Amino acid sequence: DAGVTQSPTHLIKTRGQQVTLRCSPKSGHDTVSWYQQALGQGPQFIFQYYEEEERQRGNFPDRFSGHQFPNYSSELNVNALLLGDSALYLCASSSTSGTYNEQFFGPGTRLTVL
Amino acid sequence: AQKVTQAQTEISVVEKEDVTLDCVYETRDTTYYLFWYKQPPSGELVFLIRRNSFDEQNEISGRYSWNFQKSTSSFNFTITASQVVDSAVYFCALSDGFSGGYNKLIFGAGTRLAVHP
Repeated sequence: DAGVTQSPTHLIKTRGQQVTLRCSPKSGHDTVSWYQQALGQGPQFIFQYYEEEERQRGNFPDRFSGHQFPNYSSELNVNALLLGDSALYLCASSSTSGTYNEQFFGPGTRLTVL
Repeated sequence: AQKVTQAQTEISVVEKEDVTLDCVYETRDTTYYLFWYKQPPSGELVFLIRRNSFDEQNEISGRYSWNFQKSTSSFNFTITASQVVDSAVYFCALSDGFSGGYNKLIFGAGTRLAVHP
């Protein structure tokens, strides 16, 4: 059973560019959450997608947007990149069935903005 | 607002020592969940434990144990007889009690544990 996968593993961009990160949830999961982890800090919640809609959003600007596809996979898009966007981007998947449902994390995409 | 504080930025111990990682949380919710995650150098967050706000029983899993005290809003994590493989960054996290997969996690800043041979 494949866990959460993310691509690419690493990415280098320059300021002002746009980037798209991808996430495939764990089999059977229908909810995808994205987190940003700056160096030396804890992950911060960006947003969460369920049924192809954004259900919750953290304190991130509109430059951060996302999408969820019918197969539950998800993309995170960041426009007009800033140096401060350099971070590890983590995707987590969970299921809405059952009671409390764990979030399983992928290995992350490390984005460097020069 | 919800908040998690891990006051210890870095801890260094020698193998076989016991070590406790502190976690203090703030929330107005009466129902909430607390977590500990381990992040090895590879970067992937590894789930260690979940505890809900109605269960204050301490838990032990092998060399790991957790002490949850609502009176002090703390959820501390102890590693007994530490090993080099325990070296990692450990995060404490909090979520509200709403079920159904909508729970967002609020993380602390993490504690970097270095276990030396």
